Amino acid sequence: QVQLVESGGGVVQPGRSLRLSCAASGFTFSTSGMHWVRQAPGKGLEWVAVISYDGSNKHYADSVKGRFTISRDNSKNTLFLQMNSLRAEDTAIYYCAKEGYSYGLPWGAFDIWGQGTMVTVSS
Amino acid sequence: EIVLTQSPGTLSLSPGERATLSCRARQSVSSSYLAWYQQRPGQAPRLLIYGASSRATGIPDRFSGSGSGTDFTLTLSRLEPEDFAVYYCQQYGGSPPRYTFGQGTKLEIK
Repeated sequence: QVQLVESGGGVVQPGRSLRLSCAASGFTFSTSGMHWVRQAPGKGLEWVAVISYDGSNKHYADSVKGRFTISRDNSKNTLFLQMNSLRAEDTAIYYCAKEGYSYGLPWGAFDIWGQGTMVTVSS
Repeated sequence: EIVLTQSPGTLSLSPGERATLSCRARQSVSSSYLAWYQQRPGQAPRLLIYGASSRATGIPDRFSGSGSGTDFTLTLSRLEPEDFAVYYCQQYGGSPPRYTFGQGTKLEIK
C-alpha cells in the first residue's frame, strides 16, 4: 500500500524551531522527488519545497527560503522539513507529497499525499 | 511567478449535472505541467489530472481536463454526490522551479 505518514507537528512559539518527518512506504522512495505543501486554516494550498530523489537538488518557496530546510534519508525512506525562525503565518497543515512520474519523466504534479500534520505558531 | 486564477469561486449544481471549472494563467503554461486536484473536507488533496488532460490512476472517466496556453478547464460530466468538494489547479515551471496553485473552486450542492 502506497503511503506517506507525516509527524512532528505541534504548537510552537514564534521564533522557535520544529522538525517534521514523513515516512514513506509502498513505493521506491529513493527514486522519487518529494515535496512539502502547506495549507493555512481555511485557505488554499501553497507549495513549500522540493528535493530531488538523491537529495542533490532542493528548491524553496520565497516565503520560507533561508528559514526552512528540506532533506531526506533514503536508507530510512523518510523525508524531513526543518523549520526555523517560525512565524505566525507559518501556521498550517503540512503535507508531504510524492512527485508523479511517467517513464522516468516528472509530471510537475503530486500523485501521492500524506494526511498532513498541523503546525501552530503562537505565543 | 505565474499566477493562476480559478473561476468561479463557488459553483452550485445538482447531482447529475455537468460542471465546468476554469483555470487561467497570466502567462503561458506548458500543458505538460498543468494539474488538477480535488480536496474533500478534512482530507488531503487528491490528484485528478496531470499534463492538462491525463487522468491519474483510479480517477473515473467523468473527470476530464483540457486546454492550453493560458486557459485550462476541468469538466465533470455527471456529478456524483462525492464530487462536491474544492478543486485546485496547479502548474510547474520556471527556473528555479516553482509550483503554484490556483485559489480553488468550491463545488457545492444546489
